[in-house]
Amino acid sequence: EVQLVESGGGLVKPGGSLRLSCAASRFTFSTYSMNWVRQAPGKGLEWVSSITSSSTYIYYADSVKGRFTISRDNAKNSLYLQMNSLRAEDTAVYYCAREPGSGWLDYWGQGTLVTVSS
Amino acid sequence: DIQMTQSPSSVSASVGDRVTITCRASQGISSWLAWFQQKPGKAPKLLIYAASSLQSGVPSRFSGSGSGTDFTLTISSLQPEDFATYYCQQANSFPRTFGQGTKVEIK
Repeated sequence: EVQLVESGGGLVKPGGSLRLSCAASRFTFSTYSMNWVRQAPGKGLEWVSSITSSSTYIYYADSVKGRFTISRDNAKNSLYLQMNSLRAEDTAVYYCAREPGSGWLDYWGQGTLVTVSS
Repeated sequence: DIQMTQSPSSVSASVGDRVTITCRASQGISSWLAWFQQKPGKAPKLLIYAASSLQSGVPSRFSGSGSGTDFTLTISSLQPEDFATYYCQQANSFPRTFGQGTKVEIK
């Protein structure tokens, strides 16, 4: 079955940086768009960013635009999220999710927790 | 941005009950709507896409309907494993947006 495994979360001070990774397996990674979605503690889901299969199109939520950068390496079956200028409100579990097309997120990883605190 | 509003925010129901959750979009999204189920500490699970298409492996007691701005998720006969939080999500345009969630609790 499709597997998505996030890593790279942790505790970081406000203003700091962190790079999340998502390792994909058991499907042809290079043919799918991928997304990051986050969930603050006790809150709902918030879409963060999306990247098409060949990185041609990239989209961001306004809340992270200019601070976060999504990227992928199809040779390594990996998705990334570079997070800079982190704020307390970025504290959340970050999920990567596969998008087979048309915006549907059909498989999700287990998530990685990012905590921004001094 | 398209705002997604779910109602109710929570519902108490018993095993065997029929449960209906609604989702309203702030502008028309045709059938570009998905429904997810999330259990505590777990990742969301896709239940319904394109407003009414059942994701592979999802029990047939789950169904979705609607188009334009008004959508519903129905659980025809609630099972113990269905107690969870449910989210709608529009895929009509970026930024993708989710509803605030509906928690289905045991009565």
